[in-house]
Amino acid sequence: QVQLQESGPGLVKPSGTLSLTCAVSGGSISSSNWWIWVRQPPGKGLEWIGEIWHNGNVNYNPSLKSRANISLDKSKNEIFLNLTSVTAADTAVYYCAKEWRDAFDVWGQGTVASVSS
Amino acid sequence: QSVLTQPPSASGTPGQRVTISCSGSSSNIGSNTVNWYLHLPGTAPKLLMYSNNLRPTGVPDRFSGSKSGTSASLAISGLQSEDEADYYCATWDDSLNGRVFGGGTKVTVL
Repeated sequence: QVQLQESGPGLVKPSGTLSLTCAVSGGSISSSNWWIWVRQPPGKGLEWIGEIWHNGNVNYNPSLKSRANISLDKSKNEIFLNLTSVTAADTAVYYCAKEWRDAFDVWGQGTVASVSS
Repeated sequence: QSVLTQPPSASGTPGQRVTISCSGSSSNIGSNTVNWYLHLPGTAPKLLMYSNNLRPTGVPDRFSGSKSGTSASLAISGLQSEDEADYYCATWDDSLNGRVFGGGTKVTVL
């Protein structure tokens, strides 16, 4: 059973870079599925950030494409999200998820990221 | 403003049937399958329905999904108190070349 666990700094200063890690256990990130990042700002709905395939192919939300970078480390079985030039609007709970048949069947518990000086 | 439109809220009494709509366009729902998620704030979202009307293992058959044209819907029959949650539809959008969520519907059990 695949399990996902997000981690990150919790607090990031405005204009800084938010760096998050998603640790995958119980399965390999080299399997044939996308690995997803989704976020939920306070009081708002879910927003797809982007996704990565094990060969490094990525897709991004057009609204975040210029600031988001998703990568992976097969040796550590981890997926990463870097979001640059953050503002208060980037404050959210960030989730990683696994894609299966075009749906997201496994999710992490989420990590809170707050942007504040 | 979400690409997929859902009503912000829906409600029913225990045992009733509640339906949540998800309206899109030809570039998303009209040409791709729809998935539904249940989300309790503070917890991990849960896949409730995939490929329009298929339930993952463990999801009760009280939940059913359908799609017609550029709209989809999720029905909850025999409403229970534990069904109180936020529900999101999602699909791929060919024009945006990315995945999109609905704005979410909060279901309240009266």
